[in-house]
Amino acid sequence: DSGVTQTPKHLITATGQRVTLRCSPRSGDLSVYWYQQSLDQGLQFLIQYYNGEERAKGNILERFSAQQFPDLHSELNLSSLELGDSALYFCASSVRQTPGNTIYFGEGSWLTVV
Amino acid sequence: AQSVAQPEDQVNVAEGNPLTVKCTYSVSGNPYLFWYVQYPNRGLQFLLKYITGDNLVKGSYGFEAEFNKSQTSFHLKKPSALVSDSALYFCAVRDSNQAGTALIFGKGTTLSVSS
Repeated sequence: DSGVTQTPKHLITATGQRVTLRCSPRSGDLSVYWYQQSLDQGLQFLIQYYNGEERAKGNILERFSAQQFPDLHSELNLSSLELGDSALYFCASSVRQTPGNTIYFGEGSWLTVV
Repeated sequence: AQSVAQPEDQVNVAEGNPLTVKCTYSVSGNPYLFWYVQYPNRGLQFLLKYITGDNLVKGSYGFEAEFNKSQTSFHLKKPSALVSDSALYFCAVRDSNQAGTALIFGKGTTLSVSS
């Protein structure tokens, strides 16, 4: 158990809908990362937050947004969902944003868009 | 831009034999290198990392990795494979000079250990 908690574990929704994925980082970790894992794209970095502020942005679609709250939990919002958004979404956390810090991953949220 | 290449989609070894999973990287600055393992329907588990110092890094479950700067490689090794090592392995790199960059992953290598 990495200590990173993600909910829900599984989610099935229809095209055009909006969902929110939630992440609680490990106790004491200030930095949160979101990744998308799909068969065709592999593990893609979406976005990083550090102590509530956005720090790095990857291949995140405009339909997707995220935030980190004062209690350090984070949410990833996915809207106008398409079939191609079906993937495993990982949240990860590290103590700080220092590049050498180990990043620990949650178990992921499986999103299926039908 | 930073990138990672894992040239083998799959590696097959027999139990008890040594295993190597290959990884090469590209970064503009000095690299921080990581290996993660993913079991079916599970999250990524951290195995080991190279930050600085000794080029041979030891990690969890008997795995080790060797950093080779001249060849820009960070191959994962284990002297004696177990069937339970069968999983998907990811190499990842982060540029040590840029705090605002993410951990970038390779496409992964499936390790299959036969009994």
